Amino acid sequence: DTGVSQNPRHKITKRGQNVTFRCDPISEHNRLYWYRQTLGQGPEFLTYFQNEAQLEKSRLLSDRFSAERPKGSFSTLEIQRTEQGDSAMYLCASSWDSTTQYFGPGTRLTVL
Amino acid sequence: DQQVKQNSPSLSVQEGRISILNCDYTNSMFDYFLWYKKYPAEGPTFLISISSIKDKNEDGRFTVFLNKSAKHLSLHIVPSQPGDSAVYFCAASPNYGGSQGNLIFGKGTKLSVKP
Repeated sequence: DTGVSQNPRHKITKRGQNVTFRCDPISEHNRLYWYRQTLGQGPEFLTYFQNEAQLEKSRLLSDRFSAERPKGSFSTLEIQRTEQGDSAMYLCASSWDSTTQYFGPGTRLTVL
Repeated sequence: DQQVKQNSPSLSVQEGRISILNCDYTNSMFDYFLWYKKYPAEGPTFLISISSIKDKNEDGRFTVFLNKSAKHLSLHIVPSQPGDSAVYFCAASPNYGGSQGNLIFGKGTKLSVKP
């Protein structure tokens, strides 16, 4: 399977804990995106990388959130001091250009 | 302030008939539009896209129409099949300074195709 993969698929944590998610994009794609989706809403853009450079961040990405793509391949999204409002599906997408983005299966986060 | 709107939360269609899903946008700077399909517990799957320089794009049973003057696009599925039952998201790509292709999504329309 050469699609976008995300791990873990599900994460349950207690409020105040830190969590980290991983995304492995399609191998030849140089652009990687993170989105968040809550119930009844469409995905909302969080941040974007071109190779290892983080080029854009949404105002939704508070200072508790940090994303990295150290070697321009996989990416991690860390949430520090989780809050119940962080409960959502976190989606990763990759693309070769700025148009068609291909999404992974997502990581569902539940903060208790 | 929603820039991409899908005003119908749900749509029910009989198998074999046409499904028409609608999407409106407010930002005239959007230059590329996409439709994604999403099954429960999965990520969105790309279906079809259209550039703002076109008014129609067709791929098999799926056709997307773009009316720039009305800031409206629609997805037609003909004939509809039970396997098409999913949530369909309309997305737009901004083309203004500083943006590198982040997509702005509508809230989705849940399509149910009944046998």
